[in-house]
Order: sequence, then C-alpha cells, then structure tokens
Amino acid sequence: DGGITQSPKYLFRKEGQNVTLSCEQNLNHDAMYWYRQDPGQGLRLIYYSQIVNDFQKGDIAEGYSVSREKKESFPLTVTSAQKNPTAFYLCASSISSVHEQYFGPGTRLTVT
Amino acid sequence: GEDVEQSLFLSVREGDSSVINCTYTDSSSTYLYWYKQEPGAGLQLLTYIFSNMDMKQDQRLTVLLNKKDKHLSLRIADTQTGDSAIYFCAESGGGATNKLIFGTGTLLAVQP
Repeated sequence: DGGITQSPKYLFRKEGQNVTLSCEQNLNHDAMYWYRQDPGQGLRLIYYSQIVNDFQKGDIAEGYSVSREKKESFPLTVTSAQKNPTAFYLCASSISSVHEQYFGPGTRLTVT
Repeated sequence: GEDVEQSLFLSVREGDSSVINCTYTDSSSTYLYWYKQEPGAGLQLLTYIFSNMDMKQDQRLTVLLNKKDKHLSLRIADTQTGDSAIYFCAESGGGATNKLIFGTGTLLAVQP
C-alpha cells in the first residue's frame, strides 16, 4: 500500500524536552511538508522540502527543526524553544512542489 | 496578505444538497483545493480546480469557481451522514513552492 505514515499517533512530553515526530512516505514524492493545526484554525506551514538535502522555512518555523536525508523521510523536531508546542501535526507530500499535496494521519503532541 | 475565509458551520438534512463557500484573496492562485478532515484524522484531498476553469464535477461533488469575485464553492449532492466532517478550502500561493493557504474550515453536520 502506498501512502504517508506518521508515528506515533499520540505523543506526550514534559516541557523543556525536545521531541521528534516521524513522517515516512512510499509514494516516491519529491516534496514534503509539515503543518501545524490548532483547534478552530486552518493549517499553518512549518517547514517544507522540495528535494532531498534541501528544506525551507514556512510561516511558523521558530522552535522547530527538520532534516531531509532520504527521499522518503522528513522528521520534525519540536525543540524546547517552541513556546506553545501542544498541537496536531500533519505531514504531507506531493510529486513535486507544483502538484497537489497528500496528507498523513497526523500526530497529536501534548506537552505539559 | 493572502487570506482564505470560510463560514464555520453548516447543518443540513440527510439527502439534501450541501454548499460550502470559500473566498480567497490571491488572484495569482493556480489551483484551488477542497480537503475533508474527519475527527482525529489527516486531511483527505477531495478535489481541486485549475484557476482557468469555472466548474468541475466529480460524482456527487461540484466545484464552482468565480474568479472575478474570488469565490469558490463545493456542492455535495445527496448528502449522507458519512459526509459529516470539516471541509477545508485551500489556495496555492503561486510560485515554485506550491505553498497552500488554508481556510479555517467549515464543520458540516448532517442530520439524519
């Protein structure tokens, strides 16, 4: 089955700890994206990558970091510098940066 | 700046048609998208329309685009209880990155 997987589905962390969210795709897509969703709001772009070994900041990159060492993987690290990390995080991919995006099932992160 | 607006809530009876509306500001958008999100899940791409089209039909879904008024609508014919979800409108921000600008989503409640 082709698709996008995110793990884990639920993640709990203590304030001050870094945490890494996984995103894997087997669709052979070049472009990958990370979005954050807060209740009652639309999605906001954190980081995106158009090709392996390259990534760009989105609208709300502060307190986050990413890597793109492999085409199929685009992990997101939520650092202790992110002031309000509790949210639903969605990963997406597309064939290229000008094509439609497909989303994974999301990871709900709760930081206390 | 770029902005996408949607009404927050729509309630319809099963079997009726639903019409979800969206307005956007970026006249350079190449594509406009409709996504569906069920509770606790990722976003599912429903359909999209190229900016030089007025209408696109796909089974029960009809998308209408009024470029002059920057207005997009999604009509769901014969609405079913399984259609209950949040529907997001998104515009591509133009340029090489295909950055998507999302609306806040419309919660569609289908009454049996």
